[in-house]
Amino acid sequence: AQSVAQPEDQVNVAEGNPLTVKCTYSVSGNPYLFWYVQYPNRGLQFLLKYITGDNLVKGSYGFEAEFNKSQTSFHLKKPSALVSDSALYFCAVRPRIGGYQLIWGAGTKLIIKP
Amino acid sequence: EAQVTQNPRYLITVTGKKLTVTCSQNMNHEYMSWYRQDPGLGLRQIYYSMNVEVTDKGDVPEGYKVSRKEKRNFPLILESPSPNQTSLYFCASSLGTGAIYEQYFGPGTRLTVT
Repeated sequence: AQSVAQPEDQVNVAEGNPLTVKCTYSVSGNPYLFWYVQYPNRGLQFLLKYITGDNLVKGSYGFEAEFNKSQTSFHLKKPSALVSDSALYFCAVRPRIGGYQLIWGAGTKLIIKP
Repeated sequence: EAQVTQNPRYLITVTGKKLTVTCSQNMNHEYMSWYRQDPGLGLRQIYYSMNVEVTDKGDVPEGYKVSRKEKRNFPLILESPSPNQTSLYFCASSLGTGAIYEQYFGPGTRLTVT
């Protein structure tokens, strides 16, 4: 079965330090890859996506993600964390062939400490 | 302002009492979808619609109904709610079904069924 894994339920980072939120997937072919963020009491917001091309994708709020085909990963990164980055982050994957639906990870809670 | 709206935002109801959660988008999007979010499970798709009068089941459709009579509206109906439908519900829309189109989410509806 196709799946998306976010191996860490929670990630704690000190403000100003780099952050990484991990995502790996088990989906056939070369899927489309997405990151969404959910701030407290809000709906999800799109951060960035990988469709094709450069493996490093830049998105909103200074976030970027690196697609690694051999490791089937799409880790979210930011060079310097802000307290306001504290939120729930979701990785989502859509197969290139067969269907329009997204396969979602369970989410990773990111806590940035001052 | 481009947005997806949901009503109500919070709802407490009793088992068996029919309810409807409304969803409306003002972006002329073709694709709309309903998700439920439960801790540790990420987002699970309930139903989706690729256009007016076109709806299809997602991963967890049991106990839910939808309709798409107008492009902008996509209500979620629980004919006989049960406690296991207590959850946080999100409506989402996108311009099309292609992978280049990110989804826009409503603010969520927190439903409690007692």
